Amino acid sequence: QKEVEQDPGPLSVPEGAIVSLNCTYSNSAFQYFMWYRQYSRKGPELLMYTYSSGNKEDGRFTAQVDKSSKYISLFIRDSQPSDSATYLCAMRRSSNYQLIWGAGTKLIIKP
Amino acid sequence: DVKVTQSSRYLVKRTGEKVFLECVQDMDHENMFWYRQDPGLGLRLIYFSYDVKMKEKGDIPEGYSVSREKKERFSLILESASTNQTSMYLCASSPIQGGLGNEQFFGPGTRLTVL
Repeated sequence: QKEVEQDPGPLSVPEGAIVSLNCTYSNSAFQYFMWYRQYSRKGPELLMYTYSSGNKEDGRFTAQVDKSSKYISLFIRDSQPSDSATYLCAMRRSSNYQLIWGAGTKLIIKP
Repeated sequence: DVKVTQSSRYLVKRTGEKVFLECVQDMDHENMFWYRQDPGLGLRLIYFSYDVKMKEKGDIPEGYSVSREKKERFSLILESASTNQTSMYLCASSPIQGGLGNEQFFGPGTRLTVL
C-alpha cells in the first residue's frame, strides 16, 4: 500500500463549479502538507502549504488537513479553465526533507 | 525569483548509452533532488543531495548515479540506459531553512525516451 493515495482522475467539471481534490495517507508522523499544481509540460509549483491540522485559505483556494482521519483536501471555488492542471499532494515529517507524493489528479475545467 | 534549469527539454537515446542530465539552480539552495514522473505513479525520488559532494539514495536509485561537484549543479547519470528508464525527469531544489516547510522549486523537466 502506498503511503499517500490520490485518485489520478481525470476530474472534469464545468467552469464556476466548486472542486474538491483529496489525498489520504497512512503515516501519522506527517506534519507538513502541501499542494502543488503542474501545468502540462511544466514542473510542479507550490500552491498551498499547511502545517499540522486545520484550514488555510488563499483567494479561491482552501486547503484542509484532518489528521485524525489522515485526510487532506484542496477546494477550488469559482473554478476557471486556467485551473486545468494536475494537482499533486505532498507531505513530510518534521525531521526529514523528503517529500512523499501522491500520484496527482488531472483536473479539467470545461468553459 | 528562484530558477531551476535543466539542460534539455527532450532527449532521445539508445539502449546502453550513458546519459547525463544536468540541473542548475541560482538561489544558493543546499538541497537538490532528482525525481522521475510516470503516469499514475506520481513523483518518485531517485537521489537527493543536501550539500556539495553529498548524496543520498531515494526510493528508486537502481540504474542511476549522481554528481554534485558545485552547490548550484546536480547531475543525474544513467550508466547504461534501458527502455524502462523512459520517463519525465524533474530536478528540484530547496533551502535548508524556510518557513514553507522547505518548499521545493522545480525545473521544467526533461522528457527522456530510450529506444
